[in-house]
Amino acid sequence: AQSVTQPDIHITVSEGASLELRCNYSYGATPYLFWYVQSPGQGLQLLLKYFSGDTLVQGIKGFEAEFKRSQSSFNLRKPSVHWSDAAEYFCAGKMDSSYKLIFGSGTRLLVRP
Amino acid sequence: GAGVSQTPSNKVTEKGKYVELRCDPISGHTALYWYRQSLGQGPEFLIYFQGTGAADDSGLPNDRFFAVRPEGSVSTLKIQRTERGDSAVYLCASSLNSGREGETQYFGPGTRLLVL
Repeated sequence: AQSVTQPDIHITVSEGASLELRCNYSYGATPYLFWYVQSPGQGLQLLLKYFSGDTLVQGIKGFEAEFKRSQSSFNLRKPSVHWSDAAEYFCAGKMDSSYKLIFGSGTRLLVRP
Repeated sequence: GAGVSQTPSNKVTEKGKYVELRCDPISGHTALYWYRQSLGQGPEFLIYFQGTGAADDSGLPNDRFFAVRPEGSVSTLKIQRTERGDSAVYLCASSLNSGREGETQYFGPGTRLLVL
């Protein structure tokens, strides 16, 4: 069955430190992959997405993600975290023939001052 | 331009009551989706509209749930005989065309439903 897994429920980092949020997928073929961020009272905002081609994808707010087929992973990274990055992050995937996004269970990022 | 809007932002109801949740998609978007997000979980697909028709309602949990999009724009999710287990955030999203391939889905802020 198709699935997306985010193994970390919570992550705490200090402001200015680097960040990596993990995402693994299980699909029959390479899916389209997305990272969304959800702040309290806000809708899900797209950070970046991967179709094909270059495996390092740049997104908004200084985020990037790297697709690794051999590890079935699509981890999100940021070199220096700001306090405003505290939020919940969701990885999602779908096949090109589908319109349904399948989401992971999310990772809540806490930022220490 | 305006994003996806949802009303109400919060809804408290009693078990057994009927509720309607409204979604206004981005103007010109033909595809519309409803997802449900339970506490501590990621959103789960409920239903997909292409224009006025429900192209896929396979995610609706049971026949108490129903959704319409009569003019191909605004959509209403209807829940009959609400149960406490229906408590969740209901998210609406829209996309420009079919939603296939890498097309981005734009999400609204959600309606938080609490069934007492």
